[in-house]
Amino acid sequence: QKEVEQNSGPLSVPEGAIASLNCTYSDRGSQSFFWYRQYSGKSPELIMSIYSNGDKEDGRFTAQLNKASQYVSLLIRDSQPSDSATYLCAVTEAGGFKTIFGAGTRLFVKA
Amino acid sequence: GAGVSQSPSNKVTEKGKDVELRCDPISGHTALYWYRQRLGQGLEFLIYFQGNSAPDKSGLPSDRFSAERTGESVSTLTIQRTQQEDSAVYLCASSLSEGHGYTFGSGTRLTVV
Repeated sequence: QKEVEQNSGPLSVPEGAIASLNCTYSDRGSQSFFWYRQYSGKSPELIMSIYSNGDKEDGRFTAQLNKASQYVSLLIRDSQPSDSATYLCAVTEAGGFKTIFGAGTRLFVKA
Repeated sequence: GAGVSQSPSNKVTEKGKDVELRCDPISGHTALYWYRQRLGQGLEFLIYFQGNSAPDKSGLPSDRFSAERTGESVSTLTIQRTQQEDSAVYLCASSLSEGHGYTFGSGTRLTVV
């Protein structure tokens, strides 16, 4: 059974701090990796995608991928209360069509 | 359309009844996915379509669940003889092709009483 593991949290950080969210996956052949944000009662929203080892930055968000360690992370700089949500790590299986979602990490940003 | 559209947004049904959930993907998105999310839980994969073909039905929980898609357009998820454990939010997503990120619809909240 292919798995995507995340710490369920909650992760609590003060406003302006860096929030660090982590994820590990079991399918060594995976090639596509995503982070989604899900506000309570809403649908997931894609915020980052990463396909190669290293860092990818988009505004306040940085995704990091280490395929050798089967590890993906998301850094949120200058965290804002509006960043409070559940963050879902998602990994597309080798073969490319089925994406497995982690259970999510709840983030609280305290004003 | 501009986004993924799902209907109905809410459905309350009696145990044993059949329900049909509809998803209209973003125009041009060839891949379409159905997921289920129970309250406080993660996303559970149900089925995937590439065009109107379903290469992976492995997530359908039982033979009470079926889905179809017309071309690269609307998909319907049908649940026959609903049970209380079917209560969940059913999410549809589409993507440009395999390996791309998804755009989710707003979901159908199904309550079986």
